[in-house]
Amino acid sequence: EAQVTQNPRYLITVTGKKLTVTCSQNMNHEYMSWYRQDPGLGLRQIYYSMNVEATDKGDVPEGYKVSRKEKRNFPLILESPSPNQTSLYFCASSLQGPQWTEAFFGQGTRLTVV
Amino acid sequence: DAKTTQPTSMDCAEGRAANLPCNHSTISGNEYVYWYRQIHSQGPQYIIHGLKNNETNEMASLIITEDRKSSTLILPHATLRDTAVYYCIATYSSASKIIFGSGTRLSIRP
Repeated sequence: EAQVTQNPRYLITVTGKKLTVTCSQNMNHEYMSWYRQDPGLGLRQIYYSMNVEATDKGDVPEGYKVSRKEKRNFPLILESPSPNQTSLYFCASSLQGPQWTEAFFGQGTRLTVV
Repeated sequence: DAKTTQPTSMDCAEGRAANLPCNHSTISGNEYVYWYRQIHSQGPQYIIHGLKNNETNEMASLIITEDRKSSTLILPHATLRDTAVYYCIATYSSASKIIFGSGTRLSIRP
C-alpha cells in the first residue's frame, strides 16, 4: 500500500531535549516536505526536499533541521524544542517535484513541548 | 499562489449533493485549481484539480467558470464520511509548496 509513515504519532517532551520525527515513503517519490498545523494559522511549510541531498527552507524553518540522505526518508529534527513548537506536524511526498496532483500526506505527529 | 476565498462553513444532508464554492479572482493563466480535504486532523487528501475545463473523478466533480475566477467542488452524494475541512488552492503545478488557507468546514447531517 502506497503510504507516508510518520513516527511517532504522539510525543510529549520537555524543553531543550532533542528529538527526531521520522518520515518514510514507499513510493519512490523525489519530493518530500514538512508542514506544521496550528489553530488559526493553518498549514505552514517548514522545509522541503526536491531530491536526495537537496533541501530548502519553507515559511517557518526556525528551530528545525532536516536531512535527506536517502530518497525514502526525510526526518525532522528539533535540536532544542521549545513550547512554541507544540503543534501537529505532517510530512508529504510527491513523485517528481512538488506535483500536487500526486501528493500524499502522512497521518500526522502531535507534538507537545512542556 | 492566487488568493482564494471560501465560506467558513457549510452543511449538507446525507445523500444530497454538496456544492462547495471558491473564489479565485486573481488567478493567473497557468495556475491550476486544486481541492484537498482534511478529515479531523488526519493528513490532507488530494481530491481533484483542473485548469480550464470541468473535471470529474471517482470522488468529485470540479466546475470552473469560463473566466476562471471561481470554481465549485461537487460531492454528488455526500455521506457522513465526507465531513471534513475542504481547501481550495490556486497555484502553479510546479510550486514548491501549497498554501492551504482556512478552507470550508463541511458538515454532513444524517
